[in-house]
Amino acid sequence: QITLKESGPTLVKPTQTLTLTCTFSGFSLSTSGVSVGWIRQPPGEALEWLALLYWDDERRYSPTLKNRLTITKDTSKNQVVLTMTNMDPVDTATYYCARKSMVTKNAFDIWGQGTMVTVSS
Amino acid sequence: DIQMTQSPSSLSASVGDRVTITCRTSQTISSYLNWYQHKPGKAPKLLIYGASSLQSGVPSRFSGSGSGTDFTLTISSLQPEDFATYYCQQSYSTPDTFGLGTKLEIK
Repeated sequence: QITLKESGPTLVKPTQTLTLTCTFSGFSLSTSGVSVGWIRQPPGEALEWLALLYWDDERRYSPTLKNRLTITKDTSKNQVVLTMTNMDPVDTATYYCARKSMVTKNAFDIWGQGTMVTVSS
Repeated sequence: DIQMTQSPSSLSASVGDRVTITCRTSQTISSYLNWYQHKPGKAPKLLIYGASSLQSGVPSRFSGSGSGTDFTLTISSLQPEDFATYYCQQSYSTPDTFGLGTKLEIK
């Protein structure tokens, strides 16, 4: 069974750095064609793609947020970590991690449950 | 970035109805178009990938079609559990982009 689970703080202050961890099981990020991405959804708004980490360690970022985002992995722990600097109240959202596979034409086929992050002083 | 235009933004329908949601992209994406169902408090669920391939475990009343820039999601006979928000997403090139969603409500 493939699962992903997000963890991290539920509340951060403006200007702080957010660190979110995606812990996954049932697949390997070393497998060709597999990647793990982060997507967020502000309350009442649509889904927004943030970042992607490929099996070959290539990284891609949202152009509008790339200066604030870093995506890394810890292969031994089956984790992908997203850091976002200089948090602002507009970054309040539910943050999801999800697996992407070339088998499903690069769709996000398995998602975590999401973690709600509120940015407030 | 590839822009996604999804319509309608909301839709009111009854159990048993046939409904269609459309998604148009700002440039051709071959068949790299995916559809998700999202219910409040739940993880989004992949329904259709590659424009027309049904994800494993998804009921056959869901179907997708299209290629290039114009795509549709059809639910042939609405069931009570289908009332949710639906999103299209292009996976042709990064950054992946999502449509703004279609909220499907009970009439």
